Amino acid sequence: KAGVTQTPRYLIKTRGQQVTLSCSPISGHRSVSWYQQTPGQGLQFLFEYFSETQRNKGNFPGRFSGRQFSNSRSEMNVSTLELGDSALYLCASSLAPGLAGGNEQFFGPGTRLTVL
Amino acid sequence: AQSVTQLDSQVPVFEEAPVELRCNYSSSVSVYLFWYVQYPNQGLQLLLKYLSGSTLVKGINGFEAEFNKSQTSFHLRKPSVHISDTAEYFCAVLTSGGSYIPTFGRGTSLIVHP
Repeated sequence: KAGVTQTPRYLIKTRGQQVTLSCSPISGHRSVSWYQQTPGQGLQFLFEYFSETQRNKGNFPGRFSGRQFSNSRSEMNVSTLELGDSALYLCASSLAPGLAGGNEQFFGPGTRLTVL
Repeated sequence: AQSVTQLDSQVPVFEEAPVELRCNYSSSVSVYLFWYVQYPNQGLQLLLKYLSGSTLVKGINGFEAEFNKSQTSFHLRKPSVHISDTAEYFCAVLTSGGSYIPTFGRGTSLIVHP
């Protein structure tokens, strides 16, 4: 069974631009969560989608948005990029939403975004 | 509100020695606890989790952790480490009955020397 895939793996953008990252979950998984990982802030939850609906959202500005398609693939978008948005963006998929009952999340390798 | 503190940012150890990575959490309600490992240029992989029941949890790769409610701790241990255990380890907490948004610790870098 193929794991979670994320594209692209590396991305370089300049301030003010926007970016779209893609995540394909494990086949059969309907929940996709996004995380931002930086040396300064560690791992922070961005949002979670289940059956094309956003279920939870972390404490990030509105420049960060996402969506999920009917095939469970998900995209996240960051508009008006800032230097501080440079990070590793991780996507995780699971069968059911959230970690309720210990539902396991499987992580992709991440997309490393550099904002110049 | 929930929070997680990983007390050591870096833990160096020699191969075949035992290791303990410390994690303390703060929450006023029941919690689920997790340990993840992240190898270079990879995503996170679940090592083990505590949901309820036995306080001693065994995970993959020979790791185990003990949930201590009175000390609000969930320390990760391995009796004998290998070079291949060199990685970043993250502790995470989830408040049961809450919004199911996990909070992660800052991570502990385990460095195994030959």
